[in-house]
Amino acid sequence: DAGITQSPRHKVTETGTPVTLRCHQTENHRYMYWYRQDPGHGLRLIHYSYGVKDTDKGEVSDGYSVSRSKTEDFLLTLESATSSQTSVYFCAISDGSNSPLHFGNGTRLTVT
Amino acid sequence: KNQVEQSPQSLIILEGKNCTLQCNYTVSPFSNLRWYKQDTGRGPVSLTIMTFSENTKSNGRYTATLDADTKQSSLHITASQLSDSASYICVVSDAGGTSYGKLTFGQGTILTVHP
Repeated sequence: DAGITQSPRHKVTETGTPVTLRCHQTENHRYMYWYRQDPGHGLRLIHYSYGVKDTDKGEVSDGYSVSRSKTEDFLLTLESATSSQTSVYFCAISDGSNSPLHFGNGTRLTVT
Repeated sequence: KNQVEQSPQSLIILEGKNCTLQCNYTVSPFSNLRWYKQDTGRGPVSLTIMTFSENTKSNGRYTATLDADTKQSSLHITASQLSDSASYICVVSDAGGTSYGKLTFGQGTILTVHP
């Protein structure tokens, strides 16, 4: 497996609480991504980063923010979790647009 | 709107048999097409990436084909094994000028291999 670690692997939280998910890579890849995976949908991009402190929105970014202060770390924050954010979240990394994505093993988040 | 449709949604085969999974896309402009394998509880793993000029690419027992004219791709699995049980996801990248390449994911085909 590519050197990608997601933490935590599982989390249960209550509606309205803030949540931060962490992605750590050891591959020194430029691009990092956060996706969510839900039944009936393909993977959907939340936010991505193309360098330290360089981030942009994906197709389902509402309610989420990200930060990348170091090449190896990409944080996803839910400022005030809602039940609709119950999902499996995947971090991915790549070298560029024609390079494969390497995914972490996901974080299963449940918002009650 | 860019779309990727996969068929069938699910498939059950016996160990040792071959199978073919289908992917149709309407992504434009096209950059590349990828197939990923996702085991239960794990992240997707890349099997192949094909650009416009490639019409076949193999990775062991996995062979992907691409027909860019009809916007169709297939993934053929030869001599299936129990470990092939997984979801297979077709992903198409557009060439919309972004350096990261915008990806459109299919919903996947769930393959179950029975002994």
